[in-house]
Order: sequence, then C-alpha cells, then structure tokens
Amino acid sequence: AQKVTQAQTEISVVEKEDVTLDCVYETRDTTYYLFWYKQPPSGELVFLIRRNSFDEQNEISGRYSWNFQKSTSSFNFTITASQVVDSAVYFCALSLGVGANSKLTFGKGITLSVRP
Amino acid sequence: DTEVTQTPKHLVMGMTNKKSLKCEQHMGHRAMYWYKQKAKKPPELMFVYSYEKLSINESVPSRFSPECPNSSLLNLHLHALQPEDSALYLCASSHPAEPQHFGDGTRLSIL
Repeated sequence: AQKVTQAQTEISVVEKEDVTLDCVYETRDTTYYLFWYKQPPSGELVFLIRRNSFDEQNEISGRYSWNFQKSTSSFNFTITASQVVDSAVYFCALSLGVGANSKLTFGKGITLSVRP
Repeated sequence: DTEVTQTPKHLVMGMTNKKSLKCEQHMGHRAMYWYKQKAKKPPELMFVYSYEKLSINESVPSRFSPECPNSSLLNLHLHALQPEDSALYLCASSHPAEPQHFGDGTRLSIL
C-alpha cells in the first residue's frame, strides 16, 4: 500500500522568509508519480508539480523549488521569499500511474500561514 | 477562474431532499473524478469516470449516485443524505496521462 506523510501540520512564517514543506512517501513500486497541490481558502486544488520516479532532477519555478530524493523517499517543496498569497494548505500526493485508473494518495496537508 | 466549473458553490439540504451537483469541463479531458473533503482533511476519492464509463467506485454509499451524460459533464445525484455527508465536494478532470485539474468545489451542508 502507498502512504504519504506530511509530518508538519501548520507552519507560520513572516513574509519574505523561506519555508520548506516536507513530504515523505512509501511505496514498493518502482514506477510512481509524486505531486504537490495547493489549496487556498477558496477550496480549489491547484496543481503545482508532478515528478515521476525516474526523474530525480530538482526543479525550480520562480519562487518555488522541489527536491526529490529517492534515497530518503522524500519530495520536499521550498518557497523562497514567501508572500501572503502563499497562505494555503499544501498537499503532497502519490500515484502509481496517471490517468483514470490511478488513485492519488494524499498526505494530510500542511497549513501555511504567511504573515505580513 | 478554474477550467473545471462546479455548481452550485454552496448547497444546504435536508435529509429527505434530492439534489444534484454538477461539474463541467471543456478541456477535452476523458477522465472525470468526484472527491469528498472534510474540514482539515485531504480529499478522498469517490468515483472515477473514464470515457463516460464508471471505472472506480470507492465503496461509496448508494445515496450518492454519479452520472456522466457526456464527455464534458459529470453529475452527482444526492438523496437521503446524512449530516456526516456535509463536506466540500470536488470535481476533477484529466487527460489519460496528465495530472488532475480540480474545480472550486461545492460546499454541502446537510441539516
């Protein structure tokens, strides 16, 4: 069975601080996909990134960066110079495939509050 | 604005009512999903439709009845719900090999 652990439940930072959201996953499969989604108070889940198990390259997109390490089964997410608009719940998720017959296993989510 | 549109945004209903939630997308996605999300919890998968056919039912009670009349539209028919069914109901869609895109959700309250 698959499992995603987000040990941090709530994080509060002051604007412009850097913050790292941790994600640890468990699966026995060699092919899998990892995701991060953002859920602002409006409710919509916003897709941020997908990474497959064969691609350990780190990725940077603006103020966002992701560090995928298979050796530690982690897929951490860093926000640089945080802004108030980054306040949201962030979910890490795992699936064994993509598309209609693949289920997303979500972590419990991390509530990030960025104070002005 | 999201590309997956859910209506209504809010719904309050009694336990004896019948209502429907609607989800629409025009991105040509052939997979559509219903999730239920309780407060401070992650989304839980309920149903998956692939090419308008039900492919996954996560043992959801029969008081929830999904319907996919065409490739752009997904409905969730509700009947005789219980107070514990109060939650945010999220719809998502995807191409077969692409990440899921979610709507804003319908906040459902059962009186």
